[in-house]
Amino acid sequence: AQTVTQSQPEMSVQEAETVTLSCTYDTSESNYYLFWYKQPPSRQMILVIRQEAYKQQNATENRFSVNFQKAAKSFSLKISDSQLGDTAMYFCAFMGLGGAQKLVFGQGTRLTINP
Amino acid sequence: NAGVMQNPRHLVRRRGQEARLRCSPMKGHSHVYWYRQLPEEGLKFMVYLQKENIIDESGMPKERFSAEFPKEGPSILRIQQVVRGDSAAYFCASSPGLAGDSYNEQFFGPGTRLTVL
Repeated sequence: AQTVTQSQPEMSVQEAETVTLSCTYDTSESNYYLFWYKQPPSRQMILVIRQEAYKQQNATENRFSVNFQKAAKSFSLKISDSQLGDTAMYFCAFMGLGGAQKLVFGQGTRLTINP
Repeated sequence: NAGVMQNPRHLVRRRGQEARLRCSPMKGHSHVYWYRQLPEEGLKFMVYLQKENIIDESGMPKERFSAEFPKEGPSILRIQQVVRGDSAAYFCASSPGLAGDSYNEQFFGPGTRLTVL
């Protein structure tokens, strides 16, 4: 069974700083996707960024980028020039492409951006 | 194109009552997933359905919980004889259901927050 671990329950940085959220996962599958989701106080799940395991190039979306280390099974999220609106829970998630393609989520990291 | 709809957004039930949570997938999507988020935890997979079929229910509790996705109408997650431990946010996600090992993005609804008194 796949597992996803986020070892930082909470993080706090000043506005405009760069912050990195950690995530490790365990799987025996070779074909999979990794995700970071943002959950603001509204509780809506918002997809931030997606990484395909067979692509070596790290995904980027504007201020958000990942550091994908496949051999180490590590998938960290870097937020550059952090903004107050980035305050939220962030969840790392895994999806194997065989079978049901269900998402396996980590426990989450509560990120606070301070003015 | 409307997104995934869930209703009600908030549901309060007393212990022993039944809870029915509804999910209308995005237009053109034939696959639905249900996830549960207990307080201060990540989302946990419950069940995966296609129209009129349960494909994977490995995350569903063995008793009191059931799900359906009829040919017409929304998907329903039903919890019978609710207990306080069922208090959680229940999220539905839909996907287009592309064939084979193609990636199927899941689009999440806003969730239903169930409170059991």
